[in-house]
Order: sequence, then structure tokens, then C-alpha cells
Amino acid sequence: KAGVTQTPRYLIKTRGQQVTLSCSPISGHRSVSWYQQTPGQGLQFLFEYFSETQRNKGNFPGRFSGRQFSNSRSEMNVSTLELGDSALYLCASSPATSAGTDTQYFGPGTRLTVL
Amino acid sequence: GQQLNQSPQSMFIQEGEDVSMNCTSSSIFNTWLWYKQDPGEGPVLLIALYKAGELTSNGRLTAQFGITRKDSFLNISASIPSDVGIYFCAGPNYGGSQGNLIFGKGTKLSVKP
Repeated sequence: KAGVTQTPRYLIKTRGQQVTLSCSPISGHRSVSWYQQTPGQGLQFLFEYFSETQRNKGNFPGRFSGRQFSNSRSEMNVSTLELGDSALYLCASSPATSAGTDTQYFGPGTRLTVL
Repeated sequence: GQQLNQSPQSMFIQEGEDVSMNCTSSSIFNTWLWYKQDPGEGPVLLIALYKAGELTSNGRLTAQFGITRKDSFLNISASIPSDVGIYFCAGPNYGGSQGNLIFGKGTKLSVKP
């Protein structure tokens, strides 16, 4: 079974621009979560989608948004980029079944650099 | 809110040594997950624990779900150079509903110079 894939792997943007990151979950997984990882803050939860609906959101500004498509693929968007948005953005998928609901499998991440 | 305290923050290993790290929480967890992350890559799931007292192995790795449900341990036996990396414990943030994992700060394993 193929793992979680994320595109692109690397991205360089300038302040004020916007960016869209893509995630394809493991086949059959219906839940997709997004995390931001920085050296200072560690791994922080952004949001989670299940059946095209955002079920949960972390403590990030409204510039961070996402969506999920009917095939469970997900995208996240960051508008009006700031220098502090430079980070590794990780997507994780979960089967979201009664057993192992909370077990998440991560993709390789997208390294975003904001100049 | 829920927080995970992971220790040690870093450690140096010599090939062949056994390694132990742990994770504690002020609140109860129903699931404990252990991940390893290499530089520039996403975390890879090593072991998942779902029941208090559970002891699970994955090759040279063994993890335990503490009886109090507030802690978990990961042991690596006979370490090898490819064990170098950052190890994270994680658990679900039930206060924030599903899909939200809380992570420890990580234990960084390096090779002894």
C-alpha cells in the first residue's frame, strides 16, 4: 500500500504571497490532519478533515485554511505569507475506524521557506 | 490542557548499547504512539499502544503503555548507527476532539564521538 504523499517537497515563497500544499492519504484512509513543525514550537496541530468536513482546528490564524475532496485528498492554503510561516508542513492520514482511530501515518512533509 | 513531557531531551549512544526514553503526562491517555523522524522527513510510526499495561515490540524496539495511563516507555536494544534520529511520543488530544495528536518535544539520539 502506498504511503502518504505530499507535494511539493520544497517551496520557496516571498512575504505576502500565498501557497497551496497538497496531500494524498493512504488508500482507504478518510481522515487527514495537518501539522506545522518548527524548531522552536515542535509539532503543532493545524486542522483535521474527515469526509470533506473540517472536524477540528488548532490555534492558528485564519490565514491557514484547508479542504478535503471526495477522494480524501486534502490541500492546505496559507495566504499573506509571513517569515514565521517557514516550517515543515506535515500531513497525516488515519483510517478513522473504531479501532486505531487515533493512529496517524505521516507523509514526508513540505519544506516551506518564506523570504 | 494536555501536555507530554519527554525525557531525556538528547542522548549519545554507542553502537551496541541499550537506550531508554520515556514520556509522561498530567492527564490520562487512551493511546500512546511512538514515532522516529530523520532530518527533513516526516515522522515514521514505530509502535502504537492501545491498552494500559500493554507491552509491544517491533524488532529491537519495545514500548510499554504505563498502568496509570499517564506514561509510556520506549526501549531500543543493541543500538545501531541507523537508530540515530529524533524520537517522539504522541497521544490524542481528546480535549480537542479527534484528529489532533499532541507530541512530546522529542528525544534526539546521536552517536557518541
